[in-house]
Amino acid sequence: KNEVEQSPQNLTAQEGEFITINCSYSVGISALHWLQQHPGGGIVSLFMLSSGKKKHGRLIATINIQEKHSSLHITASHPRDSAVYICAVPRGAQKLVFGQGTRLTINP
Amino acid sequence: DTAVSQTPKYLVTQMGNDKSIKCEQNLGHDTMYWYKQDSKKFLKIMFSYNNKELIINETVPNRFSPKSPDKAHLNLHINSLELGDSAVYFCASSPTGQPGNTIYFGEGSWLTVV
Repeated sequence: KNEVEQSPQNLTAQEGEFITINCSYSVGISALHWLQQHPGGGIVSLFMLSSGKKKHGRLIATINIQEKHSSLHITASHPRDSAVYICAVPRGAQKLVFGQGTRLTINP
Repeated sequence: DTAVSQTPKYLVTQMGNDKSIKCEQNLGHDTMYWYKQDSKKFLKIMFSYNNKELIINETVPNRFSPKSPDKAHLNLHINSLELGDSAVYFCASSPTGQPGNTIYFGEGSWLTVV
């Protein structure tokens, strides 16, 4: 079992729907990253958070350190949100361990 | 200006060849990385460098040799390419090592070994 698990692996929704992607990890961490990989392959860092909640536009990330769980929410989803969303946790000073990714497809 | 740039973006080569992927960051970061994304889309770290010094070598075959001429560059040289080396290779950088820093990725280099 991977130490970072995401669910669901695939998610298809209609434009406008509220989206939730979950990430669970098995060891204690001080921060968690959410990344977005575009269909063309580029990877962009969305959030790095260590507690509570962060919001950027229609994206909201939450983390519960005690429960070892984080969620990424997208409000009013749009087809341009279609991408793979990846959570990652640090393991040591210079290493990230990644989840397997959630492939999100938003249909118009 | 692209923050983390890597070249080439696409590379098709025959088994047994030697190839290099170059990476440069203009963010002034101290730490650079190479990640490999396999066919199942899993990302795994290969190497990390801090100020030109190797910090992590994640049990990568010694056919892979990173070279950091200065802290803005981290090139990946691969000898005797094998079919299993086909993957997407991402260069990345961060101000210092994890965990508290945002990481910036290059656009990826698609390597296909035939």
